[in-house]
Amino acid sequence: GQNIDQPTEMTATEGAIVQINCTYQTSGFNGLFWYQQHAGEAPTFLSYNVLDGLEEKGRFSSFLSRSKGYSYLLLKELQMKDSASYLCAVMDSNYQLIWGAGTKLIIKP
Amino acid sequence: IAGITQAPTSQILAAGRRMTLRCTQDMRHNAMYWYRQDLGLGLRLIHYSNTAGTTGKGEVPDGYSVSRANTDDFPLTLASAVPSQTSVYFCASSYSDTSTDTQYFGPGTRLTVL
Repeated sequence: GQNIDQPTEMTATEGAIVQINCTYQTSGFNGLFWYQQHAGEAPTFLSYNVLDGLEEKGRFSSFLSRSKGYSYLLLKELQMKDSASYLCAVMDSNYQLIWGAGTKLIIKP
Repeated sequence: IAGITQAPTSQILAAGRRMTLRCTQDMRHNAMYWYRQDLGLGLRLIHYSNTAGTTGKGEVPDGYSVSRANTDDFPLTLASAVPSQTSVYFCASSYSDTSTDTQYFGPGTRLTVL
């Protein structure tokens, strides 16, 4: 079966760095997405990786290793507004997104 | 309209009633999707549409139906609601279904079936 695993919850301190991991097993691979979802709101797109390596976008970076079925989202200089759930999703061979349950990130002052 | 809109924002529904959740996008996207989001689970695809006039079943289609009469609208109907359909429903769209285009989400509909 298809499976996306990510930690349920993480806590970090304002101004620090946090890494959210995602491992996946899917039928085919057409890229990995990270979305941010604030409580009670819609998911919003953060990043997309299809090739191995690191993609940097401001304070957020995303890494992919296809051979290991592994990705991480790195958030630097954490701000209180970064408190949200972070969703990992893999596009399978049918171009359908398979979603992880999300990681709730709690930022403390 | 800018992006994707959904209506209603929230609804409490008696079991056995029929309900249609509305979704409209103004981005001229070809592909549209309906997901449900439940606590502790990832988003699960209910139905999708690659282009106007076509629809397909996702991971959890039972109890739901959709139609795609035009590019902009993609309503989701629950013919006879049951309590297990209590969830948050998100509509999404992307330019194409056959590429890795980003999916954009509507604000969601929170549905409670009693």
